[in-house]
Amino acid sequence: KNQVEQSPQSLIILEGKNCTLQCNYTVSPFSNLRWYKQDTGRGPVSLTIMTFSENTKSNGRYTATLDADTKQSSLHITASQLSDSASYICVVSDRGSTLGRLYFGRGTQLTVWP
Amino acid sequence: EADIYQTPRYLVIGTGKKITLECSQTMGHDKMYWYQQDPGMELHLIHYSYGVNSTEKGDLSSESTVSRIRTEHFPLTLESARPSHTSQYLCASSESKQWTSGRAGRETQYFGPGTRLLVL
Repeated sequence: KNQVEQSPQSLIILEGKNCTLQCNYTVSPFSNLRWYKQDTGRGPVSLTIMTFSENTKSNGRYTATLDADTKQSSLHITASQLSDSASYICVVSDRGSTLGRLYFGRGTQLTVWP
Repeated sequence: EADIYQTPRYLVIGTGKKITLECSQTMGHDKMYWYQQDPGMELHLIHYSYGVNSTEKGDLSSESTVSRIRTEHFPLTLESARPSHTSQYLCASSESKQWTSGRAGRETQYFGPGTRLLVL
């Protein structure tokens, strides 16, 4: 069964600290993996996208890694800011259909305190 | 910032009422999607469209219906709202790319702000 599991479910950190969010997936055949940021009451916004041949991708203070062999990804946030408080969703796409089916994780709710 | 809009943002309505959630995008994207998301849960695809006059049901069974008469517009309708329909509804769109092996699903989906629906 194709699944995407994220951990931790929620995380509280102090402003300026770093954190790492985890994503494990069983989606096959794998096409790509995205990390989205979803602010409360808003739609998700894409942060990074990686294919199986890419093992790291950065977007400002966000750095995503991918290990296609172990089917794991992480999102590292450096020098956190209050505006980083949001849900971070891991999304994996398969290439077994023309639609490119997306499998969503439940997200990690990150809260950054001053 | 993605040019995809949803109205209303919030809707409180009584059981049995007919409602239409609006979604429009100005990016000229062929593909559009509707997702349902409950608090703390993953997004579930309920409808999608490849283009004008194309509509398909998603993975999650839904009593809602959709139409795609114009490229930029993808409204979702509930003929008779029930409390079980209470949820957040997210619309998204993406640009079609050539359907070659391995490329399906590589285009980024741009999401609207969502409509929070409460059915009493």
